Amino acid sequence: QVQLVQSGAEVKKPGSSVKVSCKASGGTFSSYAITWVRQAPGQGLEWMGRIIPLFGTTYYAQKFQGRVTINADESMSTAYMELSSLRSEDTAMYYCARSPHPTNQYFFDYWGQGTLVTVSS
Amino acid sequence: QSALTQPASVSGSPGQSITISCTGTNSDVGGYNYVSWYQQQPGKAPKLIIYDVSYRPSGVSNRFSGSKSGKTASLTISGLQAEEEADYYCSSYTSSNSYVFGPGTKVTVL
Repeated sequence: QVQLVQSGAEVKKPGSSVKVSCKASGGTFSSYAITWVRQAPGQGLEWMGRIIPLFGTTYYAQKFQGRVTINADESMSTAYMELSSLRSEDTAMYYCARSPHPTNQYFFDYWGQGTLVTVSS
Repeated sequence: QSALTQPASVSGSPGQSITISCTGTNSDVGGYNYVSWYQQQPGKAPKLIIYDVSYRPSGVSNRFSGSKSGKTASLTISGLQAEEEADYYCSSYTSSNSYVFGPGTKVTVL
């Protein structure tokens, strides 16, 4: 059974950065893609980007280009999402989610429990 | 990439069928059979209920079904039950090698 376990809640100051981790268990980490999705309080889901650990390739939503970095450590079966230049509008629940194949499965079948990031002065 | 369009809310009585629409463009919904649907209960992570327009993952009730016509995908819940009161999101792969979500639809069981 695949499980994605994310790091704990964070409180950050405006202008700082946050790094959230997503550790996978079950399955083979390199055989799937990891996507990051965020959800502001009371709002909908927003796709941020994804990584294909097998190839190390990353894709980012245009909105976050230059501000988000997604990487992965295959030896730890862990993906990371770092968001910089934080502002209050970045306060949200951040989720990692798995696509079951690196390149030809276009849905997210397992999700992490979410990490609440609060940006406040 | 603009978000997909969904109705803000849909309601139905227990046992009824409801349908949620999800409208995009030829660059996303209309261009690929890669529409998926997610159910989100309050305080929980989203759960995949439909993928590739009309396929159900193992363990998902067959009362959930999906379809697509042109640029509009649809999720139908047949025999609506109280525990299906939740938010529902559609998602599509896009021509930009990215993904886009709809704003979500709140389903209320009357």
